[in-house]
Amino acid sequence: DTAVSQTPKYLVTQMGNDKSIKCEQNLGHDTMYWYKQDSKKFLKIMFSYNNKELIINETVPNRFSPKSPDKAHLNLHINSLELGDSAVYFCASSLGLAGSYEQYFGPGTRLTVT
Amino acid sequence: AQSVTQLDSHVSVSEGTPVLLRCNYSSSYSPSLFWYVQHPNKGLQLLLKYTSAATLVKGINGFEAEFKKSETSFHLTKPSAHMSDAAEYFCVVTPGSSASKIIFGSGTRLSIRP
Repeated sequence: DTAVSQTPKYLVTQMGNDKSIKCEQNLGHDTMYWYKQDSKKFLKIMFSYNNKELIINETVPNRFSPKSPDKAHLNLHINSLELGDSAVYFCASSLGLAGSYEQYFGPGTRLTVT
Repeated sequence: AQSVTQLDSHVSVSEGTPVLLRCNYSSSYSPSLFWYVQHPNKGLQLLLKYTSAATLVKGINGFEAEFKKSETSFHLTKPSAHMSDAAEYFCVVTPGSSASKIIFGSGTRLSIRP
């Protein structure tokens, strides 16, 4: 069984569209995250949720809105897509918020905005 | 403030020779330190972590790292490289108390020559 899964794996869309990426973890973890990896492989945290509550919201445009219907799911909705949103988006989960917990990553969603 | 620097963007070694991937960090808190590996078109996988226990940490696939507080380093080593080790490696630092300040290094691409 896949521990952290994301759908879709690839997403190609035009500027101005709205899209969603779904993430599910079956590890029973309390904390979930969204990361953006740019073309130079640089990874930056976007959001963190703990028990369905937003904990971190880095300086991300408000076109990005995370939603957590339950502890096992954290979805990412993006409005009015821009060329600069093209990247690979990773979902991850951890046992809790403590910095000592390792994170388990999904396979990524490659978003291409044309 | 925290930061992490991976000193080499690309390392190339011959199969069967030792691997050294260098990481220096800066942290105002007692840090937790991690190494993650990312194979092409995959998510990140934990190799090993340091969380204030033993300074020499052993991970998966024969990798290990030594936490050196005096040098603020957490270099990753492996005695004998295998072709399957070819991947991107990330050094990561968090304050022990919270994952909210997680910082990823810029990554080191490891190539293995036959």
